[in-house]
Amino acid sequence: EIVMTQSPATLSVSPGERATLSCRASQSVSSNLAWYQQKPGQAPRLLIYGASTRATGIPARFSGSGSGTEFTLTISSLQSEDFAVYYCQQYNNWPPLYTFGQGTKLEIK
Amino acid sequence: QVQLQESGPGLVKPSQTLSLTCTVSGGSISSGGYYWSWIRQHPGKGLEWIGYIYYSGSTYYNPSLKSRVTISVDTSKNQFSLKLSSVTAADTAVYYCARDLRGWLGPWGQGTLVTVSS
Repeated sequence: EIVMTQSPATLSVSPGERATLSCRASQSVSSNLAWYQQKPGQAPRLLIYGASTRATGIPARFSGSGSGTEFTLTISSLQSEDFAVYYCQQYNNWPPLYTFGQGTKLEIK
Repeated sequence: QVQLQESGPGLVKPSQTLSLTCTVSGGSISSGGYYWSWIRQHPGKGLEWIGYIYYSGSTYYNPSLKSRVTISVDTSKNQFSLKLSSVTAADTAVYYCARDLRGWLGPWGQGTLVTVSS
């Protein structure tokens, strides 16, 4: 099983500033990585797939980068609605065994 | 746009079978091109993929749950379902269904909390 490790566990950032979230895979997942945003009491929402492709309707301030084992989600200028928990997920296995990181909580500084 | 909605009992007794249904609206499961996944989230914890089904009925399951999981599809009702047998308190979680396009998941249903307790 591919283990996904996210850092930091909690990130405190002021509105308007940039946030950088990291995700590391225990082995290469190529670009088969997605990012999700989850707000309290809500389901996760797809932000990024293919490591860097924004999903439909996702603002341009969200960007993803990386390949292999190291990935980054960047939010360029934090808005109030961006404070949430973010998960990365790999989907590189065949047969499929999707695994998620443990999440990064992005909180207001 | 496609929407998904989970339904089923919120309380299941230990050793019994958890049964949930996901109803898809705004698109047809049988149109192909997508898989349909179940994912769960233990209270205050991260996400665990359970498995998926294609409209044809082909399935893949998480090996950690494979012996207890069955996912089925009813294209006439535009629904897919999850059965998890021999449940214990460790199966208490919010269960989500989601559309799956080659690994990335979206949209998701709102989720349903299933508690395993006598």
